[in-house]
Amino acid sequence: KAGVTQTPRYLIKTRGQQVTLSCSPISGHRSVSWYQQTPGQGLQFLFEYFSETQRNKGNFPGRFSGRQFSNSRSEMNVSTLELGDSALYLCASSLGPGTESYEQYFGPGTRLTVT
Amino acid sequence: GENVEQHPSTLSVQEGDSAVIKCTYSDSASNYFPWYKQELGKRPQLIIDIRSNVGEKKDQRIAVTLNKTAKHFSLHITETQPEDSAVYFCAGTGGFKTIFGAGTRLFVKA
Repeated sequence: KAGVTQTPRYLIKTRGQQVTLSCSPISGHRSVSWYQQTPGQGLQFLFEYFSETQRNKGNFPGRFSGRQFSNSRSEMNVSTLELGDSALYLCASSLGPGTESYEQYFGPGTRLTVT
Repeated sequence: GENVEQHPSTLSVQEGDSAVIKCTYSDSASNYFPWYKQELGKRPQLIIDIRSNVGEKKDQRIAVTLNKTAKHFSLHITETQPEDSAVYFCAGTGGFKTIFGAGTRLFVKA
């Protein structure tokens, strides 16, 4: 079974621009979570989606948004980029509710650099 | 808000020794506690997990314990090997949200 995939793997953007990152979960997984990883803040929870619905979100400004499609693929968007948004963005997928399985499997991440 | 504290931030052991990493969580709704290993430049990999209705779980050289009353959980690695060197993250999951600890950088000296 293919693992979690993320595109693009690397991205360089300028302050003020916006960016969209994509995540394809493991086949059969219906829940997708997004995290921001930085050396100073560690792994920070952004949001979680299941069945095209955001079920929870972390403490990030409204510039960070996401969505999930009917095939469970997910995208996250960051508008009006700031230098501090430079980070590794990781998504993780899990089977979802009703499965008694909570294990999350991470994708390789998208390395975003804002200049 | 919800928080997971992890200690120590850095741990250095001799090959063959044991390593223990401890975490404390604040959210009473947390009911699932995974541990991840992240090697340099790679994605976090799930190495072991425990649910809130279990006190201890073991998988070969790795074990995790959970004290729900005290909101503590710990990772124990026995007979450490150089390939165990990595950053280890604990986490607590509840209410469709996973909060990670800050990580422990483990060095295993040969």
